[in-house]
Amino acid sequence: KAGVTQTPRYLIKTRGQQVTLSCSPISGHRSVSWYQQTPGQGLQFLFEYFSETQRNKGNFPGRFSGRQFSNSRSEMNVSTLELGDSALYLCASSVMGQGGEKLFFGSGTQLSVL
Amino acid sequence: KNEVEQSPQNLTAQEGEFITINCSYSVGISALHWLQQHPGGGIVSLFMLSSGKKKHGRLIATINIQEKHSSLHITASHPRDSAVYICAVIGSGSRLTFGEGTQLTVNP
Repeated sequence: KAGVTQTPRYLIKTRGQQVTLSCSPISGHRSVSWYQQTPGQGLQFLFEYFSETQRNKGNFPGRFSGRQFSNSRSEMNVSTLELGDSALYLCASSVMGQGGEKLFFGSGTQLSVL
Repeated sequence: KNEVEQSPQNLTAQEGEFITINCSYSVGISALHWLQQHPGGGIVSLFMLSSGKKKHGRLIATINIQEKHSSLHITASHPRDSAVYICAVIGSGSRLTFGEGTQLTVNP
């Protein structure tokens, strides 16, 4: 079974631009969540989608948005990029198993804003 | 004060040593994850706990819900265990809140 796939792996943008990141979950997983990781703030929760509906949202400005498609693939969009948006963006898909929820992370998209 | 506190922040051990990483949290949770992150960013979920203790190979995780504390133990540590270990709690609305991570280095 293929793992969680995130594209692109690396991205360089300039301030003011917008960016779209993609996440393909493991086949059969309906929950996808997104996280931002920076050296200063560590890992922070962005949002979670389940069956095309946003189930939870973290404390990020409205410039950060996402969506999930009927095949469970998810996209995350950041508009009007700021230097502080430079980070590793991770997505994870999850499924409920015998021992509880199992999380599977992608390798992330490293975004640099110049 | 962060909602999730890990200690120590950095840990250096010799191969074969027994290692303990601690996680304390201040909010009500439904469960807690222990994650491992290797250089390059890849994160692996090691355990999800809501009570008691779980063991997988040389890794053991425990949680005490009343004391709001969890520990991750590594027995017979090996250089390949070198990584950042992150505690993440599932709080209100099923949102994950993360600790700052513990950088573990195991020397041969």
